[in-house]
Amino acid sequence: EAQVTQNPRYLITVTGKKLTVTCSQNMNHEYMSWYRQDPGLGLRQIYYSMNVEVTDKGDVPEGYKVSRKEKRNFPLILESPSPNQTSLYFCASSLGRVNQPQHFGDGTRLSIL
Amino acid sequence: SQQGEEDPQALSIQEGENATMNCSYKTSINNLQWYRQNSGRGLVHLILIRSNEREKHSGRLRVTLDTSKKSSSLLITASRAADTASYFCATDRSGGYQKVTFGTGTKLQVIP
Repeated sequence: EAQVTQNPRYLITVTGKKLTVTCSQNMNHEYMSWYRQDPGLGLRQIYYSMNVEVTDKGDVPEGYKVSRKEKRNFPLILESPSPNQTSLYFCASSLGRVNQPQHFGDGTRLSIL
Repeated sequence: SQQGEEDPQALSIQEGENATMNCSYKTSINNLQWYRQNSGRGLVHLILIRSNEREKHSGRLRVTLDTSKKSSSLLITASRAADTASYFCATDRSGGYQKVTFGTGTKLQVIP
């Protein structure tokens, strides 16, 4: 089954404790992306990747890092999480160029205390 | 206002009625997509319309695109309770940019 898998689904942690949210897709997609969703703000793109070792900033990259060492994986790293990064995070992937139909994971709800 | 804004923010209709939601954007685009999100879940792709297309249909969905007005509309005909969800438009920017911008969404409630 074609899917995007995020882990963990829920996480409560404290300010400053490094965390990684994993994302994996099994569709051989080139394009992968991370979004955060906050009430009233819709989805905002954090980082995206056009292919292995090719990543770039979205609209809200501050405080986040990503890497794309393999085509299927695109982890999101928060090196020193802060309360303003409390949000619902989605990973998505698509075939080929930008803004092709994206497949979304089920989301990761992060709470930073 | 931001690229990709939907209106209305919320819409409540009776089952069987049609639901129309609109999306406005600011820059030239390659294509525009509509997605649906059930309460806190991942988004599901509904339909893609390219910048050189004016109208597209998929089942009970009809999407129009007016590039001169930088706007799109999504019409859901004969709505069902199961259509209750939030709907988002997503745009890119033409000219080689790779970012995708989502709007703030329209929350649709279909009352049985």
